[in-house]
Amino acid sequence: DVKVTQSSRYLVKRTGEKVFLECVQDMDHENMFWYRQDPGLGLRLIYFSYDVKMKEKGDIPEGYSVSREKKERFSLILESASTNQTSMYLCASSSFLRGLGTQYFGPGTRLLVL
Amino acid sequence: AQSVTQLDSQVPVFEEAPVELRCNYSSSVSVYLFWYVQYPNQGLQLLLKYLSGSTLVKGINGFEAEFNKSQTSFHLRKPSVHISDTAEYFCAVSEFQAGTALIFGKGTTLSVSS
Repeated sequence: DVKVTQSSRYLVKRTGEKVFLECVQDMDHENMFWYRQDPGLGLRLIYFSYDVKMKEKGDIPEGYSVSREKKERFSLILESASTNQTSMYLCASSSFLRGLGTQYFGPGTRLLVL
Repeated sequence: AQSVTQLDSQVPVFEEAPVELRCNYSSSVSVYLFWYVQYPNQGLQLLLKYLSGSTLVKGINGFEAEFNKSQTSFHLRKPSVHISDTAEYFCAVSEFQAGTALIFGKGTTLSVSS
């Protein structure tokens, strides 16, 4: 079974803090994704990566950056957290070669910015 | 551009009743289709997927979906629901292209009561 883990389930931060959300997958997937989920808006793609050291902007990249130094790890960074970044953050991974792009999700990190 | 419309934001049903959650998509090319389920405070879990072949796809927990290319629909059905099916359900689409991210609908909340 694919396992995607996220570093924290719940996180409380103050406005202006730098926040790191980490995601690790154990299935050697080449693709990794970060989404945020808000009520009534569904899932919105923040950033994704098709390979180590490679990143692509999604639909809502403003205020976020990412890092992928190793294939299994994809980090989301909030450079200066703001209250409008309070949300549920979901990481996912996939392999087009094995699974034709089916995405597997982590349990999510619920972030509260005060 | 791809898009996914889930026609009902909330679907209340009684236990043991049948249910259908509707999903329509738009795309100019061939697609893969997915349904995911999210239980409270958890990540998304793959329910079923259509990649090719038979248009009737069976998934976990007794759910099934039918791909209708002419109507660009992928409705999810279950003949008899349980209280434990209460969750949010997401329809998603990706194009026949390596590494393409999924486009999600806004979700349908299924509430099953006794």
